[in-house]
Amino acid sequence: DVVMTQTPLSSPVTLGQPASISCRSSQSLVHSDGNTYLSWLQQRPGQPPRLLIYKISNRFSGVPDRFSGSGAGTDFTLKISRVEAEDVGVYYCMQATQFPHTFGQGTKLEIK
Amino acid sequence: QVTLRESGPALVKPTQTLTLTCTFSGFSLSTSGICVSWIRQPPGKALEWLARIDWDDDKYYTTSLKTRLTISKDTSKNQVVLTMTNMDPVDTATYYCARHDYRDYGPMDVWGQGTTVTVSS
Repeated sequence: DVVMTQTPLSSPVTLGQPASISCRSSQSLVHSDGNTYLSWLQQRPGQPPRLLIYKISNRFSGVPDRFSGSGAGTDFTLKISRVEAEDVGVYYCMQATQFPHTFGQGTKLEIK
Repeated sequence: QVTLRESGPALVKPTQTLTLTCTFSGFSLSTSGICVSWIRQPPGKALEWLARIDWDDDKYYTTSLKTRLTISKDTSKNQVVLTMTNMDPVDTATYYCARHDYRDYGPMDVWGQGTTVTVSS
């Protein structure tokens, strides 16, 4: 199974400041169809997960442009340019290139 | 508008079989490129992918639970059903279903609200 490792597991951030979360996979996530199925999800307290970023760097519909994704192969990053109060929650990276699909452990974003 | 809704028992006893239903609207599971996955989340823990069924009826399962899971679809009813046998208290979790749309966004672009299952005698 592909292991997804996120760092940090907790990230206290000041409002208006940037935040960055790293995700590393134990194997390359490049699919045979040429796509890399690495997604980022946000889970606000008490809510289901919500797709933020798909295929490494594409923002899903309605996602603010302060969220951006980057990376390739086995190393990926989610960045929030200026953290807002509504960004509090847990962020997960997820790979759907290989079976079984797997998630990272989650990174808890909180406001200092 | 794409929506998914999970339903099933809130409480099951150890050793029983759990049956969960994902009822969806706004898309068809007979459309090429469309899939539905089940994912669970124990209280306070991370997400765990369980199973996926594709438009062409291909099925995939997580390694550790493969012998206990069965996923199926009823395209006419717009439903996907997951059964999990021999339930244990460690299976207590919120269970979600989510759509994949490989025509565009890819995996898990829309999620249901989840249904909470407690395993206890």
